[in-house]
Amino acid sequence: KQEVTQIPAALSVPEGENLVLNCSFTDSAIYNLQWFRQDPGKGLTSLLLIQSSQREQTSGRLNASLDKSSGRSTLYIAASQPGDSATYLCAVTQGGSEKLVFGKGTKLTVNP
Amino acid sequence: GAGVSQTPSNKVTEKGKYVELRCDPISGHTALYWYRQSLGQGPEFLIYFQGTGAADDSGLPNDRFFAVRPEGSVSTLKIQRTERGDSAVYLCASSLERGAGELFFGEGSRLTVL
Repeated sequence: KQEVTQIPAALSVPEGENLVLNCSFTDSAIYNLQWFRQDPGKGLTSLLLIQSSQREQTSGRLNASLDKSSGRSTLYIAASQPGDSATYLCAVTQGGSEKLVFGKGTKLTVNP
Repeated sequence: GAGVSQTPSNKVTEKGKYVELRCDPISGHTALYWYRQSLGQGPEFLIYFQGTGAADDSGLPNDRFFAVRPEGSVSTLKIQRTERGDSAVYLCASSLERGAGELFFGEGSRLTVL
């Protein structure tokens, strides 16, 4: 059974800092990996989608990497801003399945 | 609409009652998903529709839970004989097609069973 773990559970940083969020998964036979953002009381917003054949994806100040063989992904946020404060969730899709398996998320607070 | 719409946004009910939660996906999206999110947890998969049919319902916790999508657009999640443990946020997502990858989520329906 696929399990997804996110470390740390919470992170507080000053504005302007670069930061890394970590995600690990137990079964490397994934189809893709996605990073989502969730604001309090809201749904999820897809940030980056990495196919299993890819190593990284970039969008603006966000960069996500994938090391499938070691079961790890990182989300790098450059020059953090208070508006980046949210919970960041990592999720994987197994090959042959349409369901996402999520981690519990990392709650990020960026202080002005 | 522009995004995935879910109604009601909040539902408070008593134990034992029947509840329906509605999801209106993005127009043209053939794949539709229901997830359930408890406080402090990541969303957990419930069911996936491709068109009108439930292609994977392996996440439904028991036979009190049922979902339909009769015309391949709007979906309804139905919960019979609600229990306090059913309290959670129920999230709906849609995708352009099967295997397309990016999911678009609604804001969820928060269900509280007293």
